[in-house]
This record gives sequence, structure tokens and C-alpha cells, in this order.
Amino acid sequence: GAGVSQSPRYKVTKRGQDVALRCDPISGHVSLYWYRQALGQGPEFLTYFNYEAQQDKSGLPNDRFSAERPEGSISTLTIQRTEQRDSAMYRCASRPDGQGKAFFGQGTRLTVV
Amino acid sequence: ILNVEQSPQSLHVQEGDSTNFTCSFPSSNFYALHWYRWETAKSPEALFVMTLNGDEKKKGRISATLNTKEGYSYLYIKGSQPEDSATYLCAFPSGNTPLVFGKGTRLSVIA
Repeated sequence: GAGVSQSPRYKVTKRGQDVALRCDPISGHVSLYWYRQALGQGPEFLTYFNYEAQQDKSGLPNDRFSAERPEGSISTLTIQRTEQRDSAMYRCASRPDGQGKAFFGQGTRLTVV
Repeated sequence: ILNVEQSPQSLHVQEGDSTNFTCSFPSSNFYALHWYRWETAKSPEALFVMTLNGDEKKKGRISATLNTKEGYSYLYIKGSQPEDSATYLCAFPSGNTPLVFGKGTRLSVIA
């Protein structure tokens, strides 16, 4: 597609449920990043991929969070047994290579009730 | 994960004032420094990608400088306008580390 696409745009879920957030990067982009963004704050790194390989997952808050990018394109961020503190904007970004600027998706606003 | 610091955290200026803010990053193993502009309810958009020590980039009334030896970059806005109100983010990618963002400087330009 023309830009980075994330779905759903908004997700309300009950505490304890699992959620899957999807990111469709710009076609051909090598790197894909997941960030969490609190209101008014810069993006907080969660994890990133080069092609299908997960390069760094040190930003994932705990083992309820996982991500995959099995074919080096679309990525899914999964949060198991959601908690209220998981409520945030989750943003995905892709970069053409290790040097280029990042292009961000519109984000998924997750609310855990 | 490397630490990227931005200051000040927020800034209020009058329309027409010029302003600047700072991004500090580890000076060792420098690769590139990015600046992004983030308007509320939108996604961050890239302003500049800077790679060379002493580099200066300009886009309209906004410019940025880079000092890789001492590990800082300045973003300048000349003659601020209300539409410049946004959060300005810097990000530091290293060859072996992810793209890490600072917390941003939130600029409010008062008409």
C-alpha cells in the first residue's frame, strides 16, 4: 500500500482477553518497528524486525507481549491476558532499510476495561 | 537500549518568536540522527535525517544542526507560527540498535 496501515484503529477489550494488533508496512520496507505511545509522549520502543527476523524485543514490557512477522511483511503484536495498564496507543513504523527515515501508521488505540 | 534526551520537555512561545530545542544522544558509535514532527491526533512525520558531523538541514523556517562529537543536535524554528505547534521528536538509530525516540519537546505557539 501507499503507507503504513494498522488495524484496528480502535480496540476496546475486557481485562483478561487476548488482543492482536496488525501492521501492514510499506511494501518492500525491510525494518518494522512497534512502539507504544502514551498521551503527549514520544514513542516507546517495544520491538523490531528486519525482514522476518525479530532483532530486538527488549522493549516488550513482559511475557504477555509478543510479536511476529512470519513472511517479512505484515506483523502482528499480540497481548495476552490484557490488563488496564496495557491501554495505550500502539504505533507501527517501517523503514526501507537501516538508514532511512521511519514512516508511521495511524496507530491502534487500545482500551482495556 | 540507548538513551536519547530532549530538552526542554515543553515550550510556550509567542507568534513571531524564534526558538530552539536540544536532542542529546550517545556520541560513540554514531550512525544517524532523525527529527520528527508530531501533531496531535496524527502520526509522527520525518523532518530531517542527519548523518554528518557539522551537518545543517533546512526546511522552510525550520533548521537543524548536528554535533556528533559532543552528541547533540539543535532544532531551530524561526518566526514561530501557530501551525508550528506540535511535539518535536528526535530519534537515534545505530547500526546494531533499534530506532529509539526521545520523549519529545512539546511546542505551543500562542497567537
